Amino acid sequence: DAKTTQPTSMDCAEGRAANLPCNHSTISGNEYVYWYRQIHSQGPQYIIHGLKNNETNEMASLIITEDRKSSTLILPHATLRDTAVYYCIVSRNYGGSQGNLIFGKGTKLSVKP
Amino acid sequence: DAGITQSPRHKVTETGTPVTLRCHQTENHRYMYWYRQDPGHGLRLIHYSYGVKDTDKGEVSDGYSVSRSKTEDFLLTLESATSSQTSVYFCAIKSGANEKLFFGSGTQLSVL
Repeated sequence: DAKTTQPTSMDCAEGRAANLPCNHSTISGNEYVYWYRQIHSQGPQYIIHGLKNNETNEMASLIITEDRKSSTLILPHATLRDTAVYYCIVSRNYGGSQGNLIFGKGTKLSVKP
Repeated sequence: DAGITQSPRHKVTETGTPVTLRCHQTENHRYMYWYRQDPGHGLRLIHYSYGVKDTDKGEVSDGYSVSRSKTEDFLLTLESATSSQTSVYFCAIKSGANEKLFFGSGTQLSVL
C-alpha cells in the first residue's frame, strides 16, 4: 500500500473549517484513501473514504485531487470535540481478512476556543 | 461502537504471568483484529481472525496467541507477559467489503 505524508500538527479555531492535507504521491489506481481519527485514549474512529470522486458524509468531506496524489479532509465547522489525531491511510479494498491498515503518526489537530 | 466490548479495560500484572484479553461483538461480523498501540509506533496488528477457528498472524505476533471458538468472541493471550508487552490493546471488527474498521475502547495493560 502507498505511503502517506501528513503534517505533524495543526491548529484550528472553533467554528471554522479544518482542512487537513495528505500527500500520497505513489498511490495506485486501485487504492482508496481512508481517514480515521483517534480522540485521546479512545479507539480509532472511521471518518470517510474515497477512490477518486469527492465524498461527503455527516462527519466530513473528502476532496481528492484529479491526479489522486493528494487529498484534503474537511471538517466544515470544527468543535472542541474534534481535537484528535487524524490518520490518512491508503489501502486497497482487500475484501477480506488480508487487509491491514497501516496507521502512521497522523496529524494532531487542536481546535481552540 | 458496532457492539464491541473489550475486557478488562485496565489490567496490571507481573512479568511471567499469563494474561487473556477478551473482545466481544454482538453483530456477527466475520473479521476481527487485535492491535497494540505504543508511543512512537502507532497502531500495529498482532493477530486477526476471518472466522471461527480461523486466525492468522499480523505484524507483531511474537509472544501472543489468539483463539476464536465462537463468532462473537476473539481472545488474545499473552502466555508469559513481559514488560515490552505493556501497551494499549485495541480490538476491531471489519464491516463490509472495504477497509472500514470499528474499534473497541481499548485495554490498558501494564506488565511490571
